[in-house]
Amino acid sequence: GENVEQHPSTLSVQEGDSAVIKCTYSDSASNYFPWYKQELGKRPQLIIDIRSNVGEKKDQRIAVTLNKTAKHFSLHITETQPEDSAVYFCAAFRRTGRRALTFGSGTRLQVQP
Amino acid sequence: NAGVTQTPKFQVLKTGQSMTLQCAQDMNHEYMSWYRQDPGMGLRLIHYSVGAGITDQGEVPNGYNVSRSTTEDFPLRLLSAAPSQTSVYFCASSGRTSFVGEQYFGPGTRLTVT
Repeated sequence: GENVEQHPSTLSVQEGDSAVIKCTYSDSASNYFPWYKQELGKRPQLIIDIRSNVGEKKDQRIAVTLNKTAKHFSLHITETQPEDSAVYFCAAFRRTGRRALTFGSGTRLQVQP
Repeated sequence: NAGVTQTPKFQVLKTGQSMTLQCAQDMNHEYMSWYRQDPGMGLRLIHYSVGAGITDQGEVPNGYNVSRSTTEDFPLRLLSAAPSQTSVYFCASSGRTSFVGEQYFGPGTRLTVT
């Protein structure tokens, strides 16, 4: 089955700096890669996603890049703010067989004011 | 729209008891799923459904049953609760089955098994 690895597990940055979180996936049949943000005690919420036919996608301060050959995808947050502090999860969706999301283990981002 | 709703929000069970976690969505979504989230870990898929009458196992299905008799509801049954099932349970739905698309999560049920 699919395996998604996520690094780092914790990340601390100063307000205004950039943050990068990286994920790798194992199954070449995966074709959809969302990123979720989860604040303490709350449900995960989608912040950005990318499909396998696209290399990069940007939404204001957030961007995601995908390298299908290397099976890597990354989340980039620029000009970080204290409200960006949360746990971020990457995931991969396999389009054949078990049609389901496999999540990474999460990155706890702390933005220091 | 209420989105995805889950009941109860909190539950304490004794080992060996059974119970059903309820999940409902009012968005007419075909795809629904159940995840468990343990401290410091990501979400692991328990079961999922691509439409009424169709269910399939996820990564960690043992000890859980599901059914999907309507598009709206997707209950998760714990057959005989064990301390290892202490977790936060999230239900999610999506309007597409071909690549899932955005999954909308419910608020979660925090389950403790003593």
